[in-house]
Amino acid sequence: DAGVTQSPTHLIKTRGQQVTLRCSPKSGHDTVSWYQQALGQGPQFIFQYYEEEERQRGNFPDRFSGHQFPNYSSELNVNALLLGDSALYLCASSLSGRLDYEQYFGPGTRLTVT
Amino acid sequence: AQKVTQAQTEISVVEKEDVTLDCVYETRDTTYYLFWYKQPPSGELVFLIRRNSFDEQNEISGRYSWNFQKSTSSFNFTITASQVVDSAVYFCALSGINDYKLSFGAGTTVTVRA
Repeated sequence: DAGVTQSPTHLIKTRGQQVTLRCSPKSGHDTVSWYQQALGQGPQFIFQYYEEEERQRGNFPDRFSGHQFPNYSSELNVNALLLGDSALYLCASSLSGRLDYEQYFGPGTRLTVT
Repeated sequence: AQKVTQAQTEISVVEKEDVTLDCVYETRDTTYYLFWYKQPPSGELVFLIRRNSFDEQNEISGRYSWNFQKSTSSFNFTITASQVVDSAVYFCALSGINDYKLSFGAGTTVTVRA
């Protein structure tokens, strides 16, 4: 049973560019959440997708957008990259997004903006 | 707003010593969940425990134990007889009962030396 997978593993972009990160949830899960983890800090919630809709959003600008596909996989898009967007981006999947069910995290995508 | 404070940035111990990680939280919710996650160098967050706010019973799982005290808004985590494999960053997190996001603390880096 595959867990949460994310691609790519690492990515280097230049300021002003756009990036797309991908996440496949654990088998049987229908909800995907995205978190940003800057170096030396705890993860910060970006948003959650359920039934192909953004259900909850954290305190992130509109440059951060997402999508969920019918197979429950998800993409995170970041436009007009800033140096401060350099971070580990973590995807978590769960059943119905409820936190009384365990969330499983992927290994993350390390984004470096130069 | 929800806030999690992990005052200890780094803890270094010798193998077989006990180590206790402190977590203090703030929330306006009357019911909530508290979590502990482990993040090894690979980057993937590993779920350790979830507690409901209405269940203050302490819990032991192998070498891990958790002390939840609602009166002091604390949810501390102890590793007994630490091992080198316990070296990781440990995060405490909080969520409202009807929320879909986790609010993480800044994490405590635990280094266990042989």
